[in-house]
Amino acid sequence: DADVTQTPRNRITKTGKRIMLECSQTKGHDRMYWYRQDPGLGLRLIYYSFDVKDINKGEISDGYSVSRQAQAKFSLSLESAIPNQTALYFCATSEPGFSNQPQHFGDGTRLSIL
Amino acid sequence: TQLLEQSPQFLSIQEGENLTVYCNSSSVFSSLQWYRQEPGEGPVLLVTVVTGGEVKKLKRLTFQFGDARKDSSLHITAAQPGDTGLYLCAMDSGGSNYKLTFGKGTLLTVNP
Repeated sequence: DADVTQTPRNRITKTGKRIMLECSQTKGHDRMYWYRQDPGLGLRLIYYSFDVKDINKGEISDGYSVSRQAQAKFSLSLESAIPNQTALYFCATSEPGFSNQPQHFGDGTRLSIL
Repeated sequence: TQLLEQSPQFLSIQEGENLTVYCNSSSVFSSLQWYRQEPGEGPVLLVTVVTGGEVKKLKRLTFQFGDARKDSSLHITAAQPGDTGLYLCAMDSGGSNYKLTFGKGTLLTVNP
């Protein structure tokens, strides 16, 4: 089984719908992250959480919200989806530490908003 | 906001050729990581470089960290089709508020 699992893997929905992307991990890491990936733009950080009671905005948090339900679960919500949120979304985890900690990624959710 | 420039954006070469990918910033890195991403999968860490001037080797891949810790390069010797993928560099912001800033990536295609 994958250490970082994202569901669903693919989703097509319509403008204005509420969408939730789920992430669960078995690595026991405290830190979790949500990124979006667009062609030619690399990975951009949406939100991150260093423990269950800690939530922080990343560089592109507008239009998104998150919930850290437990150490192992971190979900991303789009309250009212719009077409420019069509992208590949990745969840990642890492161990605590000042630097050098690798991030461990799930296999992504491909989201299309019509 | 710290920016990380990666070049080239696309690279298509024949099997057996050598190549170099570059990662540059105007800011000093605390450390820099290189990831490789294959289609349908998330990025996977290749290496972390920490010390200025550091060189690390991973089979046919050689990673260098600039002396001033503002740049890094990835050199692949005798590329193989299995090296095909998106190569991403990422720098950390340092300190306890650890998060990564990613470059836009280099999409490498190695043709048989």
